[in-house]
Amino acid sequence: AQSVTQLGSHVSVSEGALVLLRCNYSSSVPPYLFWYVQYPNQGLQLLLKYTTGATLVKGINGFEAEFKKSETSFHLTKPSAHMSDAAEYFCAANAGGTSYGKLTFGQGTILTVHP
Amino acid sequence: KAGVTQTPRYLIKTRGQQVTLSCSPISGHRSVSWYQQTPGQGLQFLFEYFSETQRNKGNFPGRFSGRQFSNSRSEMNVSTLELGDSALYLCASSPEGTLGNEQFFGPGTRLTVL
Repeated sequence: AQSVTQLGSHVSVSEGALVLLRCNYSSSVPPYLFWYVQYPNQGLQLLLKYTTGATLVKGINGFEAEFKKSETSFHLTKPSAHMSDAAEYFCAANAGGTSYGKLTFGQGTILTVHP
Repeated sequence: KAGVTQTPRYLIKTRGQQVTLSCSPISGHRSVSWYQQTPGQGLQFLFEYFSETQRNKGNFPGRFSGRQFSNSRSEMNVSTLELGDSALYLCASSPEGTLGNEQFFGPGTRLTVL
């Protein structure tokens, strides 16, 4: 069964510092991968996705992620953190096959940005 | 285009009651998925509907059910509520639910069971 693991339930950075949120997936077939962000009392907003092709994916708000098949990873990065980036981030996978409409989520990482 | 809308936004029920939550997808989207979000279990897939048919189902008891109407609007129902059903229920839509399609999420319905 498809699973997604996010390393670190809480990450704290200073404003202007690099943001690195880690995500690993387990699957015999590379899945479709997504990063979502959730602000308090809101739904999820898509940051970026990987389906096929270029392994470095650029998303909104300066975020990007690199798909590494050999490491089964899809880590999210941003060169310089802003206060407005403070939120909870979720890595998700769609396993393919008959998994229509089904996303498997990691446990989430709460990002705190200090002034 | 208007985003995904969910009604009601907040709901308080007591154990044993039943509840119906509603979701209106983005115009033109035919696939609707439902998720339960709790602090302990995180985000878990409930089910997905496409063209009024359930195509996929998660590992939830039969108390959780859903349906989709011809206009793609969807409802989910939880019968015989338990305290553990307290959660944020999120609805998401996508054009076809095709593998790799991103899902667009609504703001959720926060259900509290007393």
